[in-house]
Amino acid sequence: DQQVKQNSPSLSVQEGRISILNCDYTNSMFDYFLWYKKYPAEGPTFLISISSIKDKNEDGRFTVFLNKSAKHLSLHIVPSQPGDSAVYFCAASAGYGNKLVFGAGTILRVKS
Amino acid sequence: DTAVSQTPKYLVTQMGNDKSIKCEQNLGHDTMYWYKQDSKKFLKIMFSYNNKELIINETVPNRFSPKSPDKAHLNLHINSLELGDSAVYFCASSRVEETQYFGPGTRLLVL
Repeated sequence: DQQVKQNSPSLSVQEGRISILNCDYTNSMFDYFLWYKKYPAEGPTFLISISSIKDKNEDGRFTVFLNKSAKHLSLHIVPSQPGDSAVYFCAASAGYGNKLVFGAGTILRVKS
Repeated sequence: DTAVSQTPKYLVTQMGNDKSIKCEQNLGHDTMYWYKQDSKKFLKIMFSYNNKELIINETVPNRFSPKSPDKAHLNLHINSLELGDSAVYFCASSRVEETQYFGPGTRLLVL
């Protein structure tokens, strides 16, 4: 039973444009959400997070939006750069510091 | 100055063997984790230790036994390896109530 779903296996975007990665969850107990970025043959790297008391968190080119009523979050990358090409994992936990439940990941390709 | 390190990076072994994967973190974190990334690329938690005590133990065969000799180390020992154990295993660490940081992964192939 997938509690965190990333329904787009891949996304291709032109350099300089916006990348939007989506994530849906089913467990209403989740209250902390993270995005991780992963390059081949490396471990996931923390990118940005958001707690359920917020609906937006911004860090440079990266913004995460949370819609609790829809159980949906998204990661916006503006402007997209070729170095952003990686697999992006959405993760959620029921309580800050508890186990993370990951989505299947979305492969982002930024074309120059 | 690697924050979370794992050894070995690659491990190829025969079915039935026993093997260990080591993890060390130099971040001063008190919580460490083991995750498995299967062939479908899902990352799933296996174990979590806080201050050397087991706090999360998901439904994992008892052939898998984590061992935490101290707060900076969490090793994973696997007995009687099976073909289905082939996966990438990631170690992670965090302070309690903070973001988890991952190691580079150990690619295990059971033949």
